[in-house]
Amino acid sequence: QKEVEQDPGPLSVPEGAIVSLNCTYSNSAFQYFMWYRQYSRKGPELLMYTYSSGNKEDGRFTAQVDKSSKYISLFIRDSQPSDSATYLCAMQEGGSYIPTFGRGTSLIVHP
Amino acid sequence: SAVISQKPSRDICQRGTSLTIQCQVDSQVTMMFWYRQQPGQSLTLIATANQGSEATYESGFVIDKFPISRPNLTFSTLTVSNMSPEDSSIYLCSVGSGGGTQETQYFGPGTRLLVL
Repeated sequence: QKEVEQDPGPLSVPEGAIVSLNCTYSNSAFQYFMWYRQYSRKGPELLMYTYSSGNKEDGRFTAQVDKSSKYISLFIRDSQPSDSATYLCAMQEGGSYIPTFGRGTSLIVHP
Repeated sequence: SAVISQKPSRDICQRGTSLTIQCQVDSQVTMMFWYRQQPGQSLTLIATANQGSEATYESGFVIDKFPISRPNLTFSTLTVSNMSPEDSSIYLCSVGSGGGTQETQYFGPGTRLLVL
């Protein structure tokens, strides 16, 4: 079993839909949780950064962490075609500089 | 966040040759990282490069195959040596955020390598 599991998709939704992207993990030492967005032919871009459990909101994006279930989510409200990208989750243990990445979920938002 | 550039952005190489990838950062950073991203796979850390010391390689990666230089706090190179088609991948450099005791990473645009 991999430390971080993420469904690669693709996930195809209509414009305006609410998108839910998820990752599960097995390492209970993970304390920091990130979401990266990667457009085609670009490097990953840090989107959200969360410490421990709870929610964090930034515009149309909400990151949610449930450490008891070892489950994290990224919600995108009012999705736009420009949100079409691969979304990678990443997690770090406290004091570590090295995140563990999921495989990424390919999201397609069609007009 | 730091602005990171990589050269070349892409290349097509013949097996048995070597390619050196450059990574330039617009600010001084302590830690730089080199990753490989193969299609459908998660990012795999190759090595961590700190200025003034030897790079630290992850399991499965060796210095003879992936020599790294880190001559100063804004620049690093990764060489892919004696290439084979299995080395075809995207190679990414990243830097730590530079603040506090917990750092996140910021990535360059990547180098797309195809080995024939």
